[in-house]
Amino acid sequence: DGGITQSPKYLFRKEGQNVTLSCEQNLNHDAMYWYRQDPGQGLRLIYYSQIVNDFQKGDIAEGYSVSREKKESFPLTVTSAQKNPTAFYLCASSAMGQGGNQPQHFGDGTRLSIL
Amino acid sequence: SQELEQSPQSLIVQEGKNLTINCTSSKTLYGLYWYKQKYGEGLIFLMMLQKGGEEKSHEKITAKLDEKKQQSSLHITASQPSHAGIYLCGAASNAGGTSYGKLTFGQGTILTVHP
Repeated sequence: DGGITQSPKYLFRKEGQNVTLSCEQNLNHDAMYWYRQDPGQGLRLIYYSQIVNDFQKGDIAEGYSVSREKKESFPLTVTSAQKNPTAFYLCASSAMGQGGNQPQHFGDGTRLSIL
Repeated sequence: SQELEQSPQSLIVQEGKNLTINCTSSKTLYGLYWYKQKYGEGLIFLMMLQKGGEEKSHEKITAKLDEKKQQSSLHITASQPSHAGIYLCGAASNAGGTSYGKLTFGQGTILTVHP
């Protein structure tokens, strides 16, 4: 089945450690996105990418980094510079629609906690 | 930047009752998306609205976009426990450039349906 796979489902980070969240899609979508969700808040955009080897900062990019070396993959690294990393992280992808925006499809998320 | 305000923030209804969730934008909506989320899971795409006055239905859920394209409503008829979850609206920025495909989300409405 086509879809978006995020791994791991749960992740723990030690102080000063970088961690990488995986996101893979087999929907042949051009665009991919990373969001952060905190309790009682909507989704906030961290980074997004419309084509391979290109990505743009979202609203809360500080302390995060991404790469887009393959169309199917868009990993997110939470660096030690992110002082409040505990959150639910969601990856999404969408087709680049002709004549209008296309809906984003989401993975099941990764919950990151600090040890 | 565009802001979306959802109301109510939470809603508790008895099974069988109708309910409405609203999503109001500070700017003209170029595309409005409704998603449903179970706690700790990813978002499930429900419907997309783009034209002023547009209305779409899926099973017992109807979404509308007003003529001025600044407010959308999600209406559930004869609610069931399976409708429980978090409902989020997302809005697209106007098409073009590197902003294409970006979504801004409301804070979500938590729906509880008592059997």
